[in-house]
Parts: sequence; structure tokens; C-alpha cells
Amino acid sequence: QVQLVQSGAEVKKPGASVRVSCKASGYTFTNYPIHWVRQAPGQTLEWMGWINAGNGYTKYSQTFQGRVTFTRDTSTNTVYMELRGLRSEDTAVYYCARFFGDYEAMDVWGKGTTVSVSS
Amino acid sequence: DIVLTQSPLSLTATPGEPASISCRSSQSLLHSNGYKYLSWYLLKPGQSPQLLIYLGSNRASGVPDRFSGSGSGTDFTLKISRVEAEDVGVYYCMHALQNPFTFGGGTKVEI
Repeated sequence: QVQLVQSGAEVKKPGASVRVSCKASGYTFTNYPIHWVRQAPGQTLEWMGWINAGNGYTKYSQTFQGRVTFTRDTSTNTVYMELRGLRSEDTAVYYCARFFGDYEAMDVWGKGTTVSVSS
Repeated sequence: DIVLTQSPLSLTATPGEPASISCRSSQSLLHSNGYKYLSWYLLKPGQSPQLLIYLGSNRASGVPDRFSGSGSGTDFTLKISRVEAEDVGVYYCMHALQNPFTFGGGTKVEI
């Protein structure tokens, strides 16, 4: 079945970087963009940007521009999200989600990766 | 950026009774192709978001028909015709009209 499997929880110190992976299966990986969304404790969902899994084109939210990088590995059907210069406000659950263009919506989500930033 | 405002912030629903959530957009989500780029998601405790409604009014695969979506270019509504216990969680609307995508603030539904 179609699924996105994310890497496990991370604990980081302020100023560090984190890389979260999102492995896709059950569909043609290069046909669908992958979006990243996060949810900080008590907050709403926050869109971070997306990557075209086919050609690697990326678009980032201005909120994260310069601090985040999305990459993909088509040999392993995996997308990566790297966030640098971590601060306590980056403590959140990070989700990857498949974007289905016919729906203009995110139809498949990973289970989320908890990233905790604390000194 | 497009701002999506949901109301109410929370609601206590009665099983078997209807419930309704509003999502108001700061600008029209009607694309030139005639589709409304608004979707609804449910985030249940301990789970990841699940797609309920896409393009304003289309139920996603596997979503019970008690869920329905409607709306104009700026005012959208998610309705649950008969609430069930499994419908608890936080509901979010999201637009995909342009970058950046944004989500509403969420509506917490309790029984």
C-alpha cells in the first residue's frame, strides 16, 4: 500500500542541525511532490515547503528560507528535510506528505517525527 | 499570504447530532480552472493528519459519507451529518492556491 515512513525522534541542542527522512513506497516516487508540514506544541499546522521528487525542484516557505533544505534520493525513494540553526521554537512534530495534484491536497502522510530542541 | 480563519475554536458534539465548522479565507480560493483549492483534514490524537475533503467538496477515498464540504470562493463549511465518537480530534482547513500554503487555526471537536 501507499505509505511514507519517517525516521525516528531526535533530540538536539540549540544551534545544531537535524535531518529527517521520509521513505516512500507503494507508488511511483517521482510522480508526486512531497511537502513538509510541522506542528509545534499547542500550535496549528505550519507548511514548510515542498520538493518535486522527479527533478528535485524545491520551494520553501519564507519562514524557513535559508535554514531548511529538502533533497531526494530516487534510488531509495527517500526525501530528506534538513533544518539548521535549531532553536527551542523548532521543537515540533515534522510530517512529510504526498501531494496529489488532481486533488490539490495532501492525500498520504507520514506518521511524523518529533524533534526536540533543548539545552 | 492567504489567511484562513476557522470557527469555532472548539465544539462539543452530541453523538447522532450534526456539527459544522467554518473556514473563511482572506481571498478567493477559486482557481481560474473553476476548482476551489481548499481541503479539510482531521488530526486525531496520536495520529497523522488524514485528508477528508479536497477541492472544497469532494470526499477523499474511505471517508464516511456523513462528512461533506461546501463553500464559495472565500467561505467554506465542513459538515458532519451525524457525529460519531470516532470523529473526535482537531479539524483543519488548508488552501493550495499559491505558495505559501496555509492552514486554519484548527477546530477541536469533542464528544
